Amino acid sequence: GAGVSQSPRYKVAKRGQDVALRCDPISGHVSLFWYQQALGQGPEFLTYFQNEAQLDKSGLPSDRFFAERPEGSVSTLKIQRTQQEDSAVYLCASSPLVPYEGALSGNTIYFGEGSWLTVV
Amino acid sequence: QQQVKQSPQSLIVQKGGISIINCAYENTAFDYFPWYQQFPGKGPALLIAIRPDVSEKKEGRFTISFNKSAKQFSLHIMDSQPGDSATYFCAASPSNSGYSTLTFGKGTMLLVSP
Repeated sequence: GAGVSQSPRYKVAKRGQDVALRCDPISGHVSLFWYQQALGQGPEFLTYFQNEAQLDKSGLPSDRFFAERPEGSVSTLKIQRTQQEDSAVYLCASSPLVPYEGALSGNTIYFGEGSWLTVV
Repeated sequence: QQQVKQSPQSLIVQKGGISIINCAYENTAFDYFPWYQQFPGKGPALLIAIRPDVSEKKEGRFTISFNKSAKQFSLHIMDSQPGDSATYFCAASPSNSGYSTLTFGKGTMLLVSP
């Protein structure tokens, strides 16, 4: 049954290490989003995929961040040479509609429980 | 620059009372305004959303009031219950991005006392 599944749930990385965070969206969902949520803050947009196409990556904070969704289902967010400021919860969300249709219809996007990244 | 300002940061309400959370925005391109509820360790979940063509939307105990001229919107939770204790986020999205991006407020931590 599933909802959006993210792994690992918790990751401790040493500064400078590369990490990969996986998102399994709800089956058949067209849209996939990544958000970053720092402690005590609201989520911040990172990137958006429509099927396998990355249509918006304006929120990626630096070129150390890279996301892909090669077959239009599972997505991976990769962070290279992690820094302490990368410590956050990384949330993945998916939707059966493209965002424009979703907003007009009131259809929701479904968030996963997040991957908690701590960089030490 | 914080595009969506949310207040208060935290709120304590007695069971049965009304919880009110306010948000203000600057970007006039925003025209979709959802509210999300987040429990500890969970992802945000959509509660209710509004578009600027209406000034109020009600779903059960939850009501959004929207003031386009003031660029403000608020969430009212009627008959607040302990199970409503969570963090609430307002958000906004612009049509010129095809609504692909949500800009969130910083959140309000609500505690409903029994």
